[in-house]
Amino acid sequence: DQQVKQNSPSLSVQEGRISILNCDYTNSMFDYFLWYKKYPAEGPTFLISISSIKDKNEDGRFTVFLNKSAKHLSLHIVPSQPGDSAVYFCAARGNTGNQFYFGTGTSLTVIP
Amino acid sequence: DSGVTQTPKHLITATGQRVTLRCSPRSGDLSVYWYQQSLDQGLQFLIQYYNGEERAKGNILERFSAQQFPDLHSELNLSSLELGDSALYFCASSAFFGSGPTDTQYFGPGTRLTVL
Repeated sequence: DQQVKQNSPSLSVQEGRISILNCDYTNSMFDYFLWYKKYPAEGPTFLISISSIKDKNEDGRFTVFLNKSAKHLSLHIVPSQPGDSAVYFCAARGNTGNQFYFGTGTSLTVIP
Repeated sequence: DSGVTQTPKHLITATGQRVTLRCSPRSGDLSVYWYQQSLDQGLQFLIQYYNGEERAKGNILERFSAQQFPDLHSELNLSSLELGDSALYFCASSAFFGSGPTDTQYFGPGTRLTVL
């Protein structure tokens, strides 16, 4: 039962343009959401997070938006750079514990 | 470099065998988490230990077990291995329980297990 879903396995974007990665979740009790970035042969690296009491969090070129009514999360990268090419995982945590639920990942390719 | 180390990087073994994966958390982190990533799957949470005690359990098979030692390193034991156990196994660590608003998990590079 996949509680966090990333329906786009891959995304290609031109350098300098905006990358938008999407994530949907089913459990309304999730209270904390994160994005991780993963390069080949490395473990996931924490990128940015958002609490359920917010609808936006920004960190440099990365912005995460949360739409709780739609149970939808998105990561915007502006401007996209070739070094951003990686697999991006979204994750969510329930408010009754500390178990994280991960999506299946979206592979982003930024074309120079 | 996240500060989380995992050994070995690769492991090839046969069905029915038993293996042990090792994880050393970041310095000062008390929680260790184990995840499994199979082909085309997201990371599946297996188990969490906090300061030596089991804290949370996910989709961990009965053939799998884990423990966290007094020096806070952790081992994941996989026994009676099946072909379907072939996957990447990640360890992560966090400072505390993992339930705090900023208690982020930091991941190791993973161990790739191949069961033939």
